[in-house]
This record gives sequence, C-alpha cells and structure tokens, in this order.
Amino acid sequence: ETGVTQSPTHLIKTRGQQVTLRCSSQSGHNTVSWYQQALGQGPQFIFQYYREEENGRGNFPPRFSGLQFPNYSSELNVNALELDDSALYLCASSLGLAGPKETQYFGPGTRLLVL
Amino acid sequence: KQEVTQIPAALSVPEGENLVLNCSFTDSAIYNLQWFRQDPGKGLTSLLLIQSSQREQTSGRLNASLDKSSGRSTLYIAASQPGDSATYLCAALNSGYSTLTFGKGTMLLVSP
Repeated sequence: ETGVTQSPTHLIKTRGQQVTLRCSSQSGHNTVSWYQQALGQGPQFIFQYYREEENGRGNFPPRFSGLQFPNYSSELNVNALELDDSALYLCASSLGLAGPKETQYFGPGTRLLVL
Repeated sequence: KQEVTQIPAALSVPEGENLVLNCSFTDSAIYNLQWFRQDPGKGLTSLLLIQSSQREQTSGRLNASLDKSSGRSTLYIAASQPGDSATYLCAALNSGYSTLTFGKGTMLLVSP
C-alpha cells in the first residue's frame, strides 16, 4: 500500500458528459501527477501539480483539467467525454524533489468507461 | 521527446526459468528509471528504482540494471514462479518536470 487513494474505483459515463476523479496524496507529499492508461498501453502523462500550481502538461486537450487543493489532494476533470477517454486513470504523489531520488507513488486507479 | 520501448511485448516461460526483460529509452537525461508490476485490471506496484548514478538494484529474485550511455535497462527475474505472471512496465523519470515516460510493458506468463 502506498497511502495514495483514488475515488471512485469504477465509473461509467456517456459521451458528452463530464467527470471528476479524485486523488488523495501520501502524507507529506506536495506533488501530484495524473496518467491515463488505455487498454494494452503504458500510462501516458496528463499533467502534474506542485503546491497547487500546474507544473507540466502532456499532450492532452484543454478539456482535461485539474486542481490541487491546500492539503495537496487533487482532482482531474474531463469535459465533453469521448469514447477514447475510456481508460484507467492513475494518480501518483511525490515529494517534489526533482532529482534522482524522486519517487512517484501510485494509487490504485479509477477505471472510466465511456459509452 | 523521451520514448521508451520494451521488448518483448509478451513472454511465456515454464516455472523455474531465469528471464530478462528489456527496456530502452531515447533521451539519457533522466533522473532515474523505475520498474513496475501491474496485475490485470490493477494499479502499479513499484519493484525497483535505479538512480541515474547507479548501475543496478536488487530486490530478492529481481535485479535491474541501467546503462545510461546506451539508453538501456534490463530486469532480470531469477527462478520464475507462476505468481510472477503480470505485466512489467519500465518508466524513465525525465529531468526538468520530473514526469514519468512509460513503455508499453511486457506481459509475462509463467506456467506451472
């Protein structure tokens, strides 16, 4: 167990809807990163938050947005859902050391199915 | 842009065999390289992390090596067991924004 929790565990939505996924980081961690893992693929970086500010973004459209709160928990919001958004969404928390000792600890993920 | 490739995509071995999983990356400007295990439908379990200044790390029957100059890492699993069956992912932690770039994984099946 990494101490990183995510909710909900599973979610079913229809095309065009909006969804919010939540992540609670490990105690003492100020950095949260979000990844999308489509079936049969490796996780793809969506964005990272460091002390409530976006600190890097992958190749995802603006309808993917996020927030980090003062307690360093985080939300991932996806608007106008598309079928291809069906995936496992993983969040990872870290100390934000930005160096060789930086380790990201992953939550169990939220599985999103868009119909 | 960092790209990570894993070979083979799938591997099936009988119990007891020693095996090697390969990972290559295109940009050597990494902080570290990490190997993960993923069971079907589950999240990621970290197995080994090799810092950029290190050459290898060991944990039990697992040994991971890193050669930054050639852009390669290997995960060696000794005396494989059916419980080792899972997908193994390698990920490079890129310098700068400290984001992970993952390979697509190697799906391992160990038969009794």
